Amino acid sequence: NAGVMQNPRHLVRRRGQEARLRCSPMKGHSHVYWYRQLPEEGLKFMVYLQKENIIDESGMPKERFSAEFPKEGPSILRIQQVVRGDSAAYFCASSPNTNIQYFGAGTRLSVL
Amino acid sequence: QKEVEQNSGPLSVPEGAIASLNCTYSDQGSQSFFWYRQYSGKSPELIMFIYSNGDKEDGRFTAQLNKASQYVSLLIRDSQPSDSATYLCAVNIEGGTSYGKLTFGQGTILTVHP
Repeated sequence: NAGVMQNPRHLVRRRGQEARLRCSPMKGHSHVYWYRQLPEEGLKFMVYLQKENIIDESGMPKERFSAEFPKEGPSILRIQQVVRGDSAAYFCASSPNTNIQYFGAGTRLSVL
Repeated sequence: QKEVEQNSGPLSVPEGAIASLNCTYSDQGSQSFFWYRQYSGKSPELIMFIYSNGDKEDGRFTAQLNKASQYVSLLIRDSQPSDSATYLCAVNIEGGTSYGKLTFGQGTILTVHP
């Protein structure tokens, strides 16, 4: 049973470009969470999704950030018009119908 | 006041000793408590979870929860150099068993020296 799969592992973007981060949950897990870890800071919750639904996006910046978890395919975290402050590690976690979460390897985003 | 607080460390212990990591939380409605280990440049790895007051043991790890004091701890017995990592305390602030949003502390850096 494969774990939580995230890609790409590393992503480099120039200011103003778009970043798309993908996450495939563990088999049988229908709950997906995105967290961000800024350099020298702790993990911060961004958004919680179930299939086709955003359940809680209270941690998402109001502008430029969006997330989806379509019926088919991975969850996508999209950052439009990236700025240097978006440089961070973005982790996806998945969960079955409990609150134990398993993390993917993360995507390290660098904005030049 | 931070919702979940940990001493950032670094905490340094000799090999074979007991490492004690502490965490306090502010929301009395918190229901679930987790300890994750994160090696530098890697993702968080779940090592323990606890829901009820008291102790929970798993191998060399013991989690302790005291809801009245809003305190959760992790003990690592017979510490090994491979235990050197950042330990993250996480709390389900929203409560319940199906919601799942986790609030993390800043993490405690543990160094186990030979």
